[in-house]
This record gives sequence, C-alpha cells and structure tokens, in this order.
Amino acid sequence: GQSLEQPSEVTAVEGAIVQINCTYQTSGFYGLSWYQQHDGGAPTFLSYNALDGLEETGRFSSFLSRSDSYGYLLLQELQMKDSASYFCAAPTDTGRRALTFGSGTRLQVQP
Amino acid sequence: NAGVTQTPKFRVLKTGQSMTLLCAQDMNHEYMYWYRQDPGMGLRLIHYSVGEGTTAKGEVPDGYNVSRLKKQNFLLGLESAAPSQTSVYFCASSYGPTGGFETQYFGPGTRLLVL
Repeated sequence: GQSLEQPSEVTAVEGAIVQINCTYQTSGFYGLSWYQQHDGGAPTFLSYNALDGLEETGRFSSFLSRSDSYGYLLLQELQMKDSASYFCAAPTDTGRRALTFGSGTRLQVQP
Repeated sequence: NAGVTQTPKFRVLKTGQSMTLLCAQDMNHEYMYWYRQDPGMGLRLIHYSVGEGTTAKGEVPDGYNVSRLKKQNFLLGLESAAPSQTSVYFCASSYGPTGGFETQYFGPGTRLLVL
C-alpha cells in the first residue's frame, strides 16, 4: 500500500514563496501528482512528476526525489486566491490505475 | 463540454435508506473513480472502474456498490445508509493507460447527510 505524509497547515503572506512537502512510503513508485482544492470546491490537477527534478508551470513548481521518497510543491508570488488545500497523490498499486491521496495541506495566504 | 457532472448535489437520508449517486463524463475517459472526503482526511478511494463493465474495490469499499454499464456513467449505490457515510462524495475520471491516469478530472461533489 501507499502512505503519503503532508503538513496539515501552512501560513504565508501575499507575495512570498511557500513550499509544501510530501513524503511517501510505497511498495512501488511511479510518480507524484499535486492537486489544489478551494473550500467547497472540487480538486483540480496541478502537476505530475514522473522523474526526479523540478517541473515548472507558471508560479507553481513541483519537485521529486525518488531516492529520498520526497517531493514538494513550490508556490511563488503568492496571491490571496492561492489559499486552498493542496494534496499530493501517488499510484495506488503497480497497476497504475488509481491514486492514493495525502491528507492535504491547508495554505492560508495573509495580506 | 460539461466535463464531469454529479447528481444530486445534496441529499439528506435517514439511516437504513438507500440511494444512488450518478456520475457522468463527456470526455470519453476510460477510467472513473468514486471518492469520499471527510474533514481532515483527504480523499479516500471507494471504488473505481477501468472500463465499461468493470469495477474494482478501493480503500474503503464497505457499504457501497458501483456499476459501470455505460462508458460515460459510473453509479455509486448505498444499500442501507449509515451515519458514518455522511461525507462529501466526489467522482473523477481520467484517460487511462494511454493518456495518463495521474491527471484526474473531478466532478463538483455530492454532499450527503445521513441522520
């Protein structure tokens, strides 16, 4: 099975940079995904890392180190609208057909 | 494209009642999923399907049944609702083996309250 650990809450100020970490324990590993969810809304896909290194998409970047069983989501130039919950996710099994999600990190952006 | 839609948006049940949640997607996705989300617990996979006519158990399948008679629809049934099934239910879909299952598209959710 899979187990993903994230901090429960992170606070940062507008314009700053914040890093949300995710550590995982898996029986096999095929990459790490990140999702964003605003209060009352549905999760939306942000990024996916299949290989080690940094993937950049605008203000958001995601990093993976398979040797360390660790990844993070980096949010730059924080805006108030970035206040949301962020989930990391990894394949549930070797069949790579479903995802297991972490419990999520709630990001509060303050003015 | 409507994407992923869910019916109903909100429902109140009494203990022991049954109901069916409907999920529909118009993206021709192979894979579909049902999750439940409780406060502070993230998303937990209930059941999923990798194609029309197939279903598989997820992390928390007890008390739920599913069917995928048509590729675009995935139904979640509660035969005898219990207060522990009070939750927000999300349906999701993804392309599948050729397009990447890591990117899942979620519906707006169904809020279920069991009294």
